[in-house]
Order: sequence, then structure tokens, then C-alpha cells
Amino acid sequence: AQKVTQAQTEISVVEKEDVTLDCVYETRDTTYYLFWYKQPPSGELVFLIRRNSFDEQNEISGRYSWNFQKSTSSFNFTITASQVVDSAVYFCALLSGSARQLTFGSGTQLTVLP
Amino acid sequence: EAGVAQSPRYKIIEKRQSVAFWCNPISGHATLYWYQQILGQGPKLLIQFQNNGVVDDSQLPKDRFSAERLKGVDSTLKIQPAKLEDSAVYLCASSPFNPPGPGAHEQFFGPGTRLTVL
Repeated sequence: AQKVTQAQTEISVVEKEDVTLDCVYETRDTTYYLFWYKQPPSGELVFLIRRNSFDEQNEISGRYSWNFQKSTSSFNFTITASQVVDSAVYFCALLSGSARQLTFGSGTQLTVLP
Repeated sequence: EAGVAQSPRYKIIEKRQSVAFWCNPISGHATLYWYQQILGQGPKLLIQFQNNGVVDDSQLPKDRFSAERLKGVDSTLKIQPAKLEDSAVYLCASSPFNPPGPGAHEQFFGPGTRLTVL
């Protein structure tokens, strides 16, 4: 069975602070893919990143960075120097080798205050 | 490139009424998904189409929900009759690939239809 846990329901930070969103996943498959999506108030899910299980190299894209650690089954997302426009709900998701469907976590509501 | 289109954006109905949602995926995308997102939760897959065939509908409440994708392009999702617990956002997504496999892929989501059942 596939499961994604985002333990942080809500996080509030002040603009320019760094913030890390946690994601822990469960799967018995050795081949799987992890995703992060952003859902702004408009409701549309916006793709941020995809990683496969064989690539543990951390990735940085502008102010965004991702830390993938298979040893702890975690795929955490850090926003550096947060901005008000980063305010949204962020979802971590898992697609494993044996499943055809994307399993989402329950999301983390991030609020960045000016 | 145009994104995934959905209509209507909002719908309010009374319980036991019927409702239908429409989705137009990104041109050329073979795979289409319908998700249900209840407030405070992550999206849950209802049904997945590959072209006009159903790949996975294991979580679709078939006694009241139905979906079709004629000609492998547009899709409609219908609820008949609606219940209070169907209040949610219904998201449509499309992808050029068929998971799983090395091509696993990002799904492109539409803006969703927010359904309120009174």
C-alpha cells in the first residue's frame, strides 16, 4: 500500500524566513516517483518537481530546494527567503511501480505574512 | 499551450439532484483523470482514462457516479443523485503518458469545479 504523510497541517512564517515542508512516504516498491504540487487559492494544482527513487541527488531551483532521503523515506521541500506569493497549500505525492494512481498527502497550508 | 479546461467553476445543488462536470484536457494528452478533493484533504483519484478506455475506476462510487470520455478527448463526470458528502472540488488532470514506467510524469490539472450540495 502507498501512503504519504504530511504532518504539518499549517505553517505560518514571516516574509524572508526560510521554511521546510515535511513529507514522509511509505511504499514496498523499489521503483517509485515523488512529486510536489502547489495549490494556490485559485485551486489549480501546479506541478513543482518529480523525483524517481533511483536519484537521491538533492535539487535546487531558485528559492526552492528538495531533500530526498531514502533512508528515512522523506522528501522534504524548503523555500528560502519566503515571499507572500508562496502562500498556498503544498501537496506531496507518490506514484509507485505497482500502483497506477498518484497518492497525495493531506497537504500543508503555508501562510507567509508580510 | 492551453491548459486543462473545466466547467462549470462552481455549482450549488440540493441533495438528490443530478450534476455534470466537463473537462477538456490538453491537446494530445492520452491520459485523463478525475479527482475528488474534499476540504482539508489531498485529491483522491476517482477514475483514470487512457484514450477513451477506463484504466482505473476502483474508487469511483459507481452507484451514483459515472464518467465517460468519448472520442478520447473531452470527458464528463456525472453524479446522480448527489449526497451531502459529495461536496468537494472535482479536479480534472491530463498527462501525455500512461503510468507507471520511466515516463512517469507530471499531471496537468485544471482549475476544478467546486460543488456544494445543500
